[in-house]
Amino acid sequence: DAKTTQPPSMDCAEGRAANLPCNHSTISGNEYVYWYRQIHSQGPQYIIHGLKNNETNEMASLIITEDRKSSTLILPHATLRDTAVYYCIVRGVGNTGKLIFGQGTTLQVKP
Amino acid sequence: DAGVTQSPTHLIKTRGQQVTLRCSPKSGHDTVSWYQQALGQGPQFIFQYYEEEERQRGNFPDRFSGHQFPNYSSELNVNALLLGDSALYLCASSFRADTSQAFFGQGTRLTVV
Repeated sequence: DAKTTQPPSMDCAEGRAANLPCNHSTISGNEYVYWYRQIHSQGPQYIIHGLKNNETNEMASLIITEDRKSSTLILPHATLRDTAVYYCIVRGVGNTGKLIFGQGTTLQVKP
Repeated sequence: DAGVTQSPTHLIKTRGQQVTLRCSPKSGHDTVSWYQQALGQGPQFIFQYYEEEERQRGNFPDRFSGHQFPNYSSELNVNALLLGDSALYLCASSFRADTSQAFFGQGTRLTVV
């Protein structure tokens, strides 16, 4: 699985969009980008995943660059409850076994 | 529909003791993975159980062992506890060993004194 790089922390004003970047320059053609988040004292929660097209669900949007070397998770209207550590993970779909978590980005949503 | 449940939520043990943590997967799931999360770090994969067998293992010593029961629930056992084993232990469940969209429990906070 390709390695990912994320900024250690970010701030966002409540109600504004939160844009969380992730670099994955060694991603291979059959690897997907996954995002999980972990709210304090809880287990990680799956958010979204994508291959090369932009994806959107009820929680977030995922924008993947054309060369697939980086991506951005967008929370369109951040709330205080979105304060969490966000993890970007690269892996193949249907892959069994471990999820490799890095340090993630700590997003602090401020009122 | 119950999600992933772990017990106990908190536990304090003495160095050298043994501990057993338990996990019940989400309804419909048959695969359980265990992770250790030290303070300030991301979760680290310990091992995965599918069809009652250990399928994959991370870089953890043999003091860490597990079991999966016919009802898909699982136990994590740690022997000869060290202070460094203090961590949040997370259980994740999925279907047919595909952990791409795993569901995690709330974790068990283990403190070794």
